[in-house]
Amino acid sequence: QKEVEQDPGPLSVPEGAIVSLNCTYSNSAFQYFMWYRQYSRKGPELLMYTYSSGNKEDGRFTAQVDKSSKYISLFIRDSQPSDSATYLCAMSARNTDKLIFGTGTRLQVFP
Amino acid sequence: KAGVTQTPRYLIKTRGQQVTLSCSPISGHRSVSWYQQTPGQGLQFLFEYFSETQRNKGNFPGRFSGRQFSNSRSEMNVSTLELGDSALYLCASSLLGRPNEKLFFGSGTQLSVL
Repeated sequence: QKEVEQDPGPLSVPEGAIVSLNCTYSNSAFQYFMWYRQYSRKGPELLMYTYSSGNKEDGRFTAQVDKSSKYISLFIRDSQPSDSATYLCAMSARNTDKLIFGTGTRLQVFP
Repeated sequence: KAGVTQTPRYLIKTRGQQVTLSCSPISGHRSVSWYQQTPGQGLQFLFEYFSETQRNKGNFPGRFSGRQFSNSRSEMNVSTLELGDSALYLCASSLLGRPNEKLFFGSGTQLSVL
């Protein structure tokens, strides 16, 4: 079993929809949670960063961490065609040297 | 501030050959990490260099090697290429290489092994 599981998709939604992207993990020591966005033929770029539990909002994006369920989510409100990309979750524990990535979920937002 | 630069963008090689990929990190960043990305496996960590020393290594065979120069630029080498080495190779830089730091990725080198 992988330490981080992520549904590969593709997830196809109409413009304006609310999108929910999720990752589950098995290591309860994970404290740092990130979401990276990767456009086609580009490298990933950091989108959201959360420490420990709770929510974080940035514009149309909300990152949520539920440590009791070992589950993290990224919500995109009012999705746009420009949001079409692959979204990768990543996480690490304190005092370790490992950052673990999910396999990524491909999102397509059609006009 | 210039981003992370990877060269070349595309490479086509045949089995048995070797290849060298190059990465120039963001100025001031001392840590460079390399990842292999494939559709089925996602991002797999290869190794990380900090101040010319390999600090961490992923679970890849010895055919995969790397080095870092005094100006933090890094190269990755794959010898005796196999078909399964076809992938997007990504380089990422950060200030200190801590796992909770923001990583800045290059656009990658797409390697095709025929």
